[in-house]
Amino acid sequence: SQELEQSPQSLIVQEGKNLTINCTSSKTLYGLYWYKQKYGEGLIFLMMLQKGGEEKSHEKITAKLDEKKQQSSLHITASQPSHAGIYLCGALLNFRMYSGGGADGLTFGKGTHLIIQP
Amino acid sequence: NAGVTQTPKFRVLKTGQSMTLLCAQDMNHEYMYWYRQDPGMGLRLIHYSVGEGTTAKGEVPDGYNVSRLKKQNFLLGLESAAPSQTSVYFCASTSGGQGARGYTFGSGTRLTVV
Repeated sequence: SQELEQSPQSLIVQEGKNLTINCTSSKTLYGLYWYKQKYGEGLIFLMMLQKGGEEKSHEKITAKLDEKKQQSSLHITASQPSHAGIYLCGALLNFRMYSGGGADGLTFGKGTHLIIQP
Repeated sequence: NAGVTQTPKFRVLKTGQSMTLLCAQDMNHEYMYWYRQDPGMGLRLIHYSVGEGTTAKGEVPDGYNVSRLKKQNFLLGLESAAPSQTSVYFCASTSGGQGARGYTFGSGTRLTVV
């Protein structure tokens, strides 16, 4: 969906280097979810953000949601081969859904293909 | 292990054939979803359900039908398969209610229509 733009579309990084993936919306992000997908497999949940300015970390991956709640970034420190895959951001773009009155599902970006070069 | 189970994992259909994809969750989730994933398109919502006996259209519903006769199961049907329906299909579920909450995804069904 063009409502959620991910950049870059693909990324080749040398092992050990840091990298950042961005997810941007013209609408308020009431909830922002990051998933990782290995090629040919299902989606693995990484992190969920919902408050402006929120930041969460897990191992070497940090995700942030900006104060305006329209952009999120995913940062990987000291990348490893195990980080390779497709990273997807999904969002709640509807306050009705966030408040429990609806259930339109997450809107996803097109994904970022991450390749780690040894 | 608790989660979302999709069957089958792989399927090849001939144009015009029909099939049903099954999604089963054991987390007592109210809301369930069917997405399709295509190269360069990300995940797009086909249909969803907010509870037993309910269904609603998503972004790309044409050519698909769904049913939610039991709370734990969400079925996706293709009445007359077309090559354009070649895709990877994912089912997801969530508990519903206020606030952002977790969505659990199945491992996917890879469908090829020839």
